[in-house]
Amino acid sequence: QQQVKQSPQSLIVQKGGIPIINCAYENTAFDYFPWYQQFPGKGPALLIAIRPDVSEKKEGRFTISFNKSAKQFSLHIMDSQPGDSATYFCAASGMDSSYKLIFGSGTRLLVRP
Amino acid sequence: GAGVSQSPSNKVTEKGKDVELRCDPISGHTALYWYRQSLGQGLEFLIYFQGNSAPDKSGLPSDRFSAERTGGSVSTLTIQRTQQEDSAVYLCASSRSRDRRNTEAFFGQGTRLTVV
Repeated sequence: QQQVKQSPQSLIVQKGGIPIINCAYENTAFDYFPWYQQFPGKGPALLIAIRPDVSEKKEGRFTISFNKSAKQFSLHIMDSQPGDSATYFCAASGMDSSYKLIFGSGTRLLVRP
Repeated sequence: GAGVSQSPSNKVTEKGKDVELRCDPISGHTALYWYRQSLGQGLEFLIYFQGNSAPDKSGLPSDRFSAERTGGSVSTLTIQRTQQEDSAVYLCASSRSRDRRNTEAFFGQGTRLTVV
């Protein structure tokens, strides 16, 4: 119930491609879904987040799509660049424990020049 | 400092020894969190502090793990009698308040612990 399942584990795209990372959850009490970006040797940094009252959110080249009925959400990176190469984590938290983020297992993205 | 600071950045210890990991949160942040990141895994919640108290310790894996926070600032995560399965990156984060939906949590760079 507390798990967030993330796929794929790794992803390689060419520069300009649109990598898509998917996450699924079971707990219907989750109401906050952030994505974190982590570069090697660094801590994760918040990239973009969505709440279930909207189906899509865009910030720059990053878009979250949210499907409440399917309990799935995904991250799309438009016009990907080599500098986007990093590990991406989806996460979720619920109203009952909003401080606690449940993380997916991560996706290692490589964008080739 | 400008961000969350963790020390040491790397720690190699022998099985059975105790270790202490330190976290300096961003000044003024009342909420502090510890997570563990094992190789190829996501982040696993360990403990949450609000001020000096820890309302949620549910993620601590065993009684060998403990944490404290003093002065509403620095936090120390202690692992007693370390085991090889404790090897991981331990991440600390802080935020202005407990509500993640309205307040971003900032992560430190982590302490990479290796138990040999």
